[in-house]
Amino acid sequence: EVQLVESGGGLVKPGGSLRLSCAASGFTFNNAWMSWVRQAPGKGLEWVGRIKSKADGGTTDYATPVKGRFSISRDDSKNTVYLQMNSLKIEDTAVYYCTSWTAAGGAFDIWGQGTMVTVSS
Amino acid sequence: DIVMTQSPDSLAVSLGERATINCKCSQSDLCTSNNKNYLAWYQHKPGQPPKLLIYWASTRESGVPDRFSGSGSGTDFSLTISSLQAEDVAVYYCQQYYTVPWTFGQGTKVEIK
Repeated sequence: EVQLVESGGGLVKPGGSLRLSCAASGFTFNNAWMSWVRQAPGKGLEWVGRIKSKADGGTTDYATPVKGRFSISRDDSKNTVYLQMNSLKIEDTAVYYCTSWTAAGGAFDIWGQGTMVTVSS
Repeated sequence: DIVMTQSPDSLAVSLGERATINCKCSQSDLCTSNNKNYLAWYQHKPGQPPKLLIYWASTRESGVPDRFSGSGSGTDFSLTISSLQAEDVAVYYCQQYYTVPWTFGQGTKVEIK
């Protein structure tokens, strides 16, 4: 069964840091481009960033609001992707989803259940 | 950044009736390449992750009922639910996945009239 399981969410103060993890199973993780998407309370979906497979260079790209503060990395030996979030702001409060594709050519056909991050003093 | 603009923001449709959601890409050459439209549609219900319905603008994801269909090219795309069912109440998003940063539309809330 194809599965993505996020962990690491929680409550953090503004300016703080948090690292989210996403464990993958059921597909060839080392070939996958992994993304993070978030949804703030009462808002729509927002793509956060992605990391390509190592075979495709392993490079990362980020949405403008998180560039320079967030970083995505991967450990193919553990089938896990990470989202390191630094200098957190109140507006980063959201459910964070890990997502990728297996057969949809770039559209996100697999999603985790999401993990909540709350930035508050 | 490419802006994806959906219309309307919300719509209420009677059970069994048609619902159509539109999505406009701010720059056609950044949503489409080599005659491929990098446009997806998702259904999102509260407490659940989003679900892929349509990709390549018109390819239905496996297992998605055939009452869902996608169309369009260039800058203008549409998602149609041919006969609205109660379980289709959700927020629907379009997304371009050609040019980073990949971007979603603001969402369209579909309700029963």
